[in-house]
Order: sequence, then structure tokens, then C-alpha cells
Amino acid sequence: GAVVSQHPSRVICKSGTSVKIECRSLDFQATTMFWYRQFPKQSLMLMATSNEGSKATYEQGVEKDKFLINHASLTLSTLTVTSAHPEDSSFYICSAQTGTSTGELFFGEGSRLTVL
Amino acid sequence: LAKTTQPVSMDSYEGQEVNITCSHNNIATNDYITWYQQFPSQGPRFIIQGYKTKVTNEVASLFIPADRKSSTLSLPRVSLSDTAVYYCLVAGNFNKFYFGSGTKLNVKP
Repeated sequence: GAVVSQHPSRVICKSGTSVKIECRSLDFQATTMFWYRQFPKQSLMLMATSNEGSKATYEQGVEKDKFLINHASLTLSTLTVTSAHPEDSSFYICSAQTGTSTGELFFGEGSRLTVL
Repeated sequence: LAKTTQPVSMDSYEGQEVNITCSHNNIATNDYITWYQQFPSQGPRFIIQGYKTKVTNEVASLFIPADRKSSTLSLPRVSLSDTAVYYCLVAGNFNKFYFGSGTKLNVKP
């Protein structure tokens, strides 16, 4: 099956710093990738949709200047949390979809961000 | 955007069959129904997908009635390791994928 890898799995940073999370599709080309965040005991919340070579589409209420998404190639998308604050601490999960998908998403392992 | 409704939680015992139903009244013609399993601090994992009628794989069955306004995930003979949150998603290709609240399944010994 298709594999999506995220890195790092855990990251701790100081308030005010920026953190980059990578999402890679290892054995397929992902025309579309999605970024989610999940707070404890809650469901996944869609943050943004990124298509290779174009600007990401952000969901309402998600600050695009704070959560920078780059989808530079068909196998890599990155999420950068800029000037992180403690309230940005969360579990971030990426997912990828191939162009021929019938609606099946392949998810990464998730990245736990803790901002001190 | 197809909204989904699932029970918040379910309890079961090891060895029993578990059926989790999802309502999606405004499903579109090109939407597929996909179920995912999520363990704590992990990304969701694909379980099964279907469009209509019944689909079966090595871990589950998916029942979809003719009107497609609901679907039922059936897990045969659950074990403790099946304790997780189960989500149903409804979307077609190039759609956005919004998660509902999911169903927390607690399997007891």
C-alpha cells in the first residue's frame, strides 16, 4: 500500500521560534496533500489543502501567515509553524491523495509539536 | 461537503461482532465512503472503502444501502487491539476530506 512519512514525529521548541514538518509520499506521487491538526480527545481538523506547484488553500480560521505550506514536488509537502506559541501545541497530521484515487487518503504518522 | 454522524462511543467484548453505523444524508453521486481507524498519537489508518452494496476485505465488511445515506462498518470478532476511534469519511476524488467526531470503540476482555 501507499506510504506517507512525516518528520519529525516529535518536536519541542521555544515560544517564538519556527518549526518545519515534512510530509513525504514514499512510493507514489501525491498531486494533493492535506494538513490536519488534532487536539487531545478531538477529531482531526482540516487546516489546508495543497496542490503541487500551487498555493495552498486554507480553511476558514486558519492563519496562512502562521502556517506556511509548501508543496514543491509531487512527493514532498512541508508545514512551517512560524513564531510558534504554546497554543500551537498540537498533533499535526498530513495526508496524501493520488490523482487516480477514488477518495482514499494515505496518512502520515503524525507530528507532535510542543511549544514551551 | 458531506456531513457524517456517528455514535460517540461503543463498548464491546472480545470475540463479538461490532457494527458501527454512519449517517451521511447529503452524500453526492461521485462520493465514496471510506472508514479509518485511529490509535492515540498515530495517523488514521485505512480500513475499507465502498460505493454501494457490500464490500469485504480481510479485516472488515462495509454495508451500504441502496440510497447510500448511511453505511455500516462491521468488525468480526473484535479483540482488545481493536480499541480505537473509527471515522467514516465521505468524499470523491479532488474533494476535501472533513472528519466527523468519530466513534470511540472500547473492547473489554
